[in-house]
Amino acid sequence: KAGVTQTPRYLIKTRGQQVTLSCSPISGHRSVSWYQQTPGQGLQFLFEYFSETQRNKGNFPGRFSGRQFSNSRSEMNVSTLELGDSALYLCASSRDPRGNTIYFGEGSWLTVV
Amino acid sequence: KQEVTQIPAALSVPEGENLVLNCSFTDSAIYNLQWFRQDPGKGLTSLLLIQSSQREQTSGRLNASLDKSSGRSTLYIAASQPGDSATYLCAVKDNYGQNFVFGPGTRLSVLP
Repeated sequence: KAGVTQTPRYLIKTRGQQVTLSCSPISGHRSVSWYQQTPGQGLQFLFEYFSETQRNKGNFPGRFSGRQFSNSRSEMNVSTLELGDSALYLCASSRDPRGNTIYFGEGSWLTVV
Repeated sequence: KQEVTQIPAALSVPEGENLVLNCSFTDSAIYNLQWFRQDPGKGLTSLLLIQSSQREQTSGRLNASLDKSSGRSTLYIAASQPGDSATYLCAVKDNYGQNFVFGPGTRLSVLP
């Protein structure tokens, strides 16, 4: 079956712009979580959605937001981009929030210039 | 607040060696622990999942153990191969079923 799909894979934005990243979970998975990965901070949790509701949010500023649609697809948005937002953004899905194995997508590489 | 550390940060071994990667966590009230592999520029691939009630899990040449009381997990790789070269991360999920907390990873290089 198809894995977790993230789009776009690569993008370059300018400071002050906004960006929207998309994630399609594995079919049948209703829980989607987002992580930011940088060389300095490693993998950090952004937020988790289940059945269109945000269950948990990491320690990120309000410029970072997300949502989940009825088909479980999820988007995250970053407004007023800063250079420090340059990172690999990873999406993961599982059957439910307590579901065992989580499956990651290939990620979206964001570069802010 | 849960914190996860991994030792060593990097490891280089010749092909065929058996090796052990270490993961430590500060809060023993975990729901499960998962080991992942990440190739450069790629997403994470799940290797092994250990529930809090389990002591170990095995998959092929990989064996992961869990000692909740001491806050430790080890990933044992037998007969390492160049294809095992990657970064290995451990992650723990707490009893409230919240998000995974990841360690910084161990970068493994297996030399032919």
